[in-house]
Amino acid sequence: QQQVKQSPQSLIVQKGGISIINCAYENTAFDYFPWYQQFPGKGPALLIAIRPDVSEKKEGRFTISFNKSAKQFSLHIMDSQPGDSATYFCAARLNQAGTALIFGKGTTLSVSS
Amino acid sequence: DTGVSQDPRHKITKRGQNVTFRCDPISEHNRLYWYRQTLGQGPEFLTYFQNEAQLEKSRLLSDRFSAERPKGSFSTLEIQRTEQGDSAMYLCASSRRGGAEKLFFGSGTQLSVL
Repeated sequence: QQQVKQSPQSLIVQKGGISIINCAYENTAFDYFPWYQQFPGKGPALLIAIRPDVSEKKEGRFTISFNKSAKQFSLHIMDSQPGDSATYFCAARLNQAGTALIFGKGTTLSVSS
Repeated sequence: DTGVSQDPRHKITKRGQNVTFRCDPISEHNRLYWYRQTLGQGPEFLTYFQNEAQLEKSRLLSDRFSAERPKGSFSTLEIQRTEQGDSAMYLCASSRRGGAEKLFFGSGTQLSVL
């Protein structure tokens, strides 16, 4: 119940295409769902986040779609660029202040030029 | 704001030796987290401090692991009697009061136990 399941494990997208990464969870006590981006040799960096009372959030080329009834959320990267090539992690947090994030296993995205 | 700093970046040690890592969080951040990341996996939570108090520890944090944040500023993570299974990237993150949701990660310490 504490897991966040992420798919696919890897993804190859042409430059200009749409990258879609999916995550699913079981615990309805999760109340915050961020996506992190990690480049080799660096720590993860927050990309975009959503709360379950919102179905969609958009920041630039990045959009989170959230389906509360299905307990699923996804990251969409529009107009994917080679610079977007990185590992992406979804995460979730229990509704307690300060409680740590639970991360998915990651998706390695390669955007070909 | 120089970001979260971790030292050393890499550590190679022999099985059975003790190692200590240091994390300097962003100066105004009162919350500090330690995570462990192995190849092909997401970060796994180890422990969390609010100021100098260690408020939460994962079951992953065995008796050989100890973390401190003595003055509510920098933190150390010590692993005693290292095992090959301890080989991983150890990540530190910090967040500010009221913004606990946004974690800022350091670049990590890569530990290799031979």
